[in-house]
Amino acid sequence: EVQLVQSGAEVKKPGESLRISCKGSGYSFTSYWISWVRQMPGKGLEWMGRIDPSDSYTNYSPSFQGHVTISADKSISTAYLQWSSLKASDTAMYYCATADSSGVLDPWGQGTLVTVSS
Amino acid sequence: QSVLTQPPSASGTPGQRVTISCSGSSSNIGSNTVNWYQQLPGTAPKLLIYSNNQRPSGVPDRFSGSKSGTSASLAISGLQSEDEADYYCAAWDDSLNVLVFGGGTKLTVL
Repeated sequence: EVQLVQSGAEVKKPGESLRISCKGSGYSFTSYWISWVRQMPGKGLEWMGRIDPSDSYTNYSPSFQGHVTISADKSISTAYLQWSSLKASDTAMYYCATADSSGVLDPWGQGTLVTVSS
Repeated sequence: QSVLTQPPSASGTPGQRVTISCSGSSSNIGSNTVNWYQQLPGTAPKLLIYSNNQRPSGVPDRFSGSKSGTSASLAISGLQSEDEADYYCAAWDDSLNVLVFGGGTKLTVL
């Protein structure tokens, strides 16, 4: 069974750094992109960017470029989403999902809730 | 403001047929395939329809998708209470080079 398991919920202060993870299993990790999607409280889905785990090539949405970093370690089948300086507006649920070249997201991880508050 | 436009809400009674629209432009729906996602309350989104009208294994045939020009639609027939969820359309946008989502439609089963 193809599965993505994300790291647990985080509570951070503004200005702190954070890295959340997404571990794939049940498939060849380097065969599909990994996309990250943000869902702010009570709001819709926003695509943040994606990574090709085979060569770590990334493609960011302009809305998130420069504020987050997407990376992957294919040796442990894990993708990451990282912030160097969190803001209160980063409070959201973050999902990872495997993606094919046409952008079909399936399956999705269970989500990681990030809360940023002083 | 989402790139793809969906009605914020839809509703129907059990057994009815409801449709949810998704409007885009030539750079997204007009030139790429549309996918639909279902998000049940408190859960992660799930792929419902891909490549405009294909159902993944396990998705009931009550769910169907279509596309014409720069618009797409999701139809749900034989509405059931467990269909109450948020539904999102998505497509790749060639001009922005990003995956774009609709704002989501909250479906209520009355």
